[in-house]
Amino acid sequence: GESVGLHLPTLSVQEGDNSIINCAYSNSASDYFIWYKQESGKGPQFIIDIRSNMDKRQGQRVTVLLNKTVKHLSLQIAATQPGDSAVYFCAERGAAGNKLTFGGGTRVLVKP
Amino acid sequence: GAVVSQHPSWVICKSGTSVKIECRSLDFQATTMFWYRQFPKQSLMLMATSNEGSKATYEQGVEKDKFLINHASLTLSTLTVTSAHPEDSSFYICSAPGGGPSGNTIYFGEGSWLTVV
Repeated sequence: GESVGLHLPTLSVQEGDNSIINCAYSNSASDYFIWYKQESGKGPQFIIDIRSNMDKRQGQRVTVLLNKTVKHLSLQIAATQPGDSAVYFCAERGAAGNKLTFGGGTRVLVKP
Repeated sequence: GAVVSQHPSWVICKSGTSVKIECRSLDFQATTMFWYRQFPKQSLMLMATSNEGSKATYEQGVEKDKFLINHASLTLSTLTVTSAHPEDSSFYICSAPGGGPSGNTIYFGEGSWLTVV
């Protein structure tokens, strides 16, 4: 079936540096992509989303890039802070409905 | 603040009993809600789609008679784990689309930890 996957299971980053989390997706019909942050024992927290008719979207300290040609999604976190330590999931939504397919997750560890 | 609320946050039940988890959308109506299950250090697995006023749609491999879903109103969906067993112990999370500034953002609840002893 269709799936969303991540390249790196764990990312260690120095506090203050930028983080880049990558995600590959396989469903070319997906029209909406979301990045979530999940802290230990909590539900996923919405970070940023992007529609398939865009290739870049910026939020506060975060940027999502979408490359439909190679079916690749990335999340960039600027000036990573200790509070950014968490597991990050990308999710894609198919063309019909709001059902999300999640990637495997990447753990970000911020070193002081 | 939270736009999707779950209750309880954690629950411990005895094997063989049933437990109900509630998912509420706050400040917006959700004709559809989704229930996920998550094991430690793993991703979210979609269990079922809860549809207001009609039967839930279950993903392949999910027992509908064991995981009863009721979407009685536009702001409330419930998941009942019937005849719970220790292997049902997990983190259960719901989501609802329709929130946020655009009205289309999909938000998640805080999750409910279920431990079956």
